[in-house]
Amino acid sequence: AQSVTQLDSHVSVSEGTPVLLRCNYSSSYSPSLFWYVQHPNKGLQLLLKYTSAATLVKGINGFEAEFKKSETSFHLTKPSAHMSDAAEYFCVVSDRASGTYKYIFGTGTRLKVLA
Amino acid sequence: ETGVTQTPRHLVMGMTNKKSLKCEQHLGHNAMYWYKQSAKKPLELMFVYSLEERVENNSVPSRFSPECPNSSHLFLHLHTLQPEDSALYLCASSQDLGNTIYFGEGSWLTVV
Repeated sequence: AQSVTQLDSHVSVSEGTPVLLRCNYSSSYSPSLFWYVQHPNKGLQLLLKYTSAATLVKGINGFEAEFKKSETSFHLTKPSAHMSDAAEYFCVVSDRASGTYKYIFGTGTRLKVLA
Repeated sequence: ETGVTQTPRHLVMGMTNKKSLKCEQHLGHNAMYWYKQSAKKPLELMFVYSLEERVENNSVPSRFSPECPNSSHLFLHLHTLQPEDSALYLCASSQDLGNTIYFGEGSWLTVV
């Protein structure tokens, strides 16, 4: 069965410092993995996705994530945080190969950026 | 600006009212979804439509009734809701089931 665990419910960083949001997944097949961002009072916006191509995936706004099969992880990083990055971030796993189309969402990590 | 548009953005309704949420996608997709987002809970998938046919109904109470008249439009009809139904309702679409889904900005629903 699929599952996804976001290891931190809240992360605080200072502006200009690196961001690390952690995500571990469980999947029986080759998963597709996604990160979405949700700013206050907004819907979810796709940041990046992994679908069995390059293991290092670059997304929008300077974010990237690395798929590590041995660690079943898909952590989201950014070298330098900006105030506008303050939002909630969701890690998502999908198992198309298993014949299911369902997305499994993590519980979210709220990123706070300090001036 | 998102390719998935939801209206209204905010809705307050009494428990005896009947209202509808509307979603329109401008991406040419053939699958549409309703999700519910409540505080401190993971996103809950409510309904899935593929090629205008419902393919998923995740044990959602009958007071929520979806309608998909064509591949671009999706409605969620609401009647006799409960205060615990207050949440952000998100519409999404994808090209085929299981492909990347794109969300609208959501409709905030408050049941009083």
